[in-house]
Amino acid sequence: DAKTTQPPSMDCAEGRAANLPCNHSTISGNEYVYWYRQIHSQGPQYIIHGLKNNETNEMASLIITEDRKSSTLILPHATLRDTAVYYCIVRVGRGAQKLVFGQGTRLTINP
Amino acid sequence: DAGVIQSPRHEVTEMGQEVTLRCKPISGHDYLFWYRQTMMRGLELLIYFNNNVPIDDSGMPEDRFSAKMPNASFSTLKIQPSEPRDSAVYFCASSLSVAGYTFGSGTRLTVV
Repeated sequence: DAKTTQPPSMDCAEGRAANLPCNHSTISGNEYVYWYRQIHSQGPQYIIHGLKNNETNEMASLIITEDRKSSTLILPHATLRDTAVYYCIVRVGRGAQKLVFGQGTRLTINP
Repeated sequence: DAGVIQSPRHEVTEMGQEVTLRCKPISGHDYLFWYRQTMMRGLELLIYFNNNVPIDDSGMPEDRFSAKMPNASFSTLKIQPSEPRDSAVYFCASSLSVAGYTFGSGTRLTVV
């Protein structure tokens, strides 16, 4: 699976949009981009995933560049409860193969 | 849907004792994963099963660790004998096809 690069930490003001970047320059054509988050002491939580089109659900939006070498997770109106470590992972989509977690981005939402 | 259920939530044991962690996946999910999380090493995949069959156990640290899935609704991770360096939070997750994983709340293991 392709390797990802994320900033170790970010801050965002409550109520503003949080934009979390992820680089995956070695991604293959059949690899999906997944985002998870882990709130302190809880199990990781699935947020969203995509292949090449932008995706949106009730939690977030995922913007994938046209060359698929990077993506951005957007939390449109961040709240204090969005403070967590966010993981960007790429893996082959067909079949629930293993997810390999990196160090992620520690996002802090400030009041 | 009760989600992925892990037990116990906390376990404190003495070095050398056997420890058994338990997991009940979401009904209908055909993949089950065991992860371990420490501050130093982050989230590590230990082993995963597909339709109750172990597919990849390359992350199991050593022979002291073993995992079983006797049926679709139950899995165990056993450490025998336990050592202080095994202290960590152990997560179980289940999944169906390309959708995201659902993780349990974890078992915090402390070996003294």
